[in-house]
Amino acid sequence: RKEVEQDPGPFNVPEGATVAFNCTYSNSASQSFFWYRQDCRKEPKLLMSVYSSGNEDGRFTAQLNRASQYISLLIRDSKLSDSATYLCVVIATSGTYKYIFGTGTRLKVLA
Amino acid sequence: NAGVTQTPKFRVLKTGQSMTLLCAQDMNHEYMYWYRQDPGMGLRLIHYSVGEGTTAKGEVPDGYNVSRLKKQNFLLGLESAAPSQTSVYFCASHKGGLEQYFGPGTRLTVT
Repeated sequence: RKEVEQDPGPFNVPEGATVAFNCTYSNSASQSFFWYRQDCRKEPKLLMSVYSSGNEDGRFTAQLNRASQYISLLIRDSKLSDSATYLCVVIATSGTYKYIFGTGTRLKVLA
Repeated sequence: NAGVTQTPKFRVLKTGQSMTLLCAQDMNHEYMYWYRQDPGMGLRLIHYSVGEGTTAKGEVPDGYNVSRLKKQNFLLGLESAAPSQTSVYFCASHKGGLEQYFGPGTRLTVT
């Protein structure tokens, strides 16, 4: 079983739609969680951190469920510019800050 | 403030040739990482460093060597390139448990 698993997609959604991605992780000792965004042939960039209480940044909402070991990302009112690959990242801080990346979920927002 | 830079951006090597990829960061980060990204595989950690003068193996270290002689630089070496090392290489750095900042990547083709 992979340490971090994501549905690769692609998720094809019309502009204005709401879309949600999930990511599951296997290490219950994982400490920190992030969503990164990666545009085609570019470097990953931080989208948002994920906190136990859930957090929101504009149209984006991230949630963490430690009991079921998954994190989620909800995008409301999708824009064409949201088209990208979304990477789930989990950190197990065993003293060396080991970042584990999911393979990413590809989103295409259609006009 | 340039962030994380990588040199070169593109390179084509023949099997058996050697090369060094340079990563530089100007954010005074302690932690630096080298990843490779292949289609469908996500980001895989090659080597990392938790401070100047230190290096450690990641998930896929075979065929690569690294050095961190200065805090701001992290070098990745390929002593004898193989076609299996054709990939996109990303360098990243962070200050400890926080956002990783990525360089723009190096696209390497080994023929």
